[in-house]
Amino acid sequence: AQTVTQSQPEMSVQEAETVTLSCTYDTSESDYYLFWYKQPPSRQMILVIRQEAYKQQNATENRFSVNFQKAAKSFSLKISDSQLGDAAMYFCAYRAPSEYGNKLVFGAGTILRVKS
Amino acid sequence: NAGVTQTPKFQVLKTGQSMTLQCAQDMNHEYMSWYRQDPGMGLRLIHYSVGAGITDQGEVPNGYNVSRSTTEDFPLRLLSAAPSQTSVYFCASSYTGEGSGNTIYFGEGSWLTVV
Repeated sequence: AQTVTQSQPEMSVQEAETVTLSCTYDTSESDYYLFWYKQPPSRQMILVIRQEAYKQQNATENRFSVNFQKAAKSFSLKISDSQLGDAAMYFCAYRAPSEYGNKLVFGAGTILRVKS
Repeated sequence: NAGVTQTPKFQVLKTGQSMTLQCAQDMNHEYMSWYRQDPGMGLRLIHYSVGAGITDQGEVPNGYNVSRSTTEDFPLRLLSAAPSQTSVYFCASSYTGEGSGNTIYFGEGSWLTVV
């Protein structure tokens, strides 16, 4: 079974600085998808960024980028120029296309605190 | 667009009571699923459906039933509520194929407390 591990329960960053959240996963699949979701206090699940495993280029969305290391099974999220609105719980998630039903496997989450 | 709509948003139940969490989506997605979120554990899959009339168990199905009579609706039934089912529940939907972007759409969550 696939597993997703987020080893940082909490992280802090100063406003305008850069922070990296770690995620590792375990799978025997060669084709899969990885996601980072943001969950603010409202509990809404907001998709931040996605990465297809067959793409070598790291995904980027504005201030958010990933460092995808397929061989190492690592998928870290970098947030540049951190803003107060970035404070939230962040979940790393995995999906295997071969699995019936588009099921997601989530990590335990990392709480990000942003200091002004 | 309404997207994925969950009701109720908040509910308090007594141990042993039954109830149904409703989930509806208006995007004609074939895939729907229910997750629960507990502290320190992320979201875990309860049940999922790949189309009307087809459901299957996820990681933590015990104590829950689902059915999918229409493409739009995927209700989650708690048969006899237990304090261990106190959680935040999320319904999600998605589709496959061109243009999907592998995006899974989540509802806003339903907070359930069992006392």
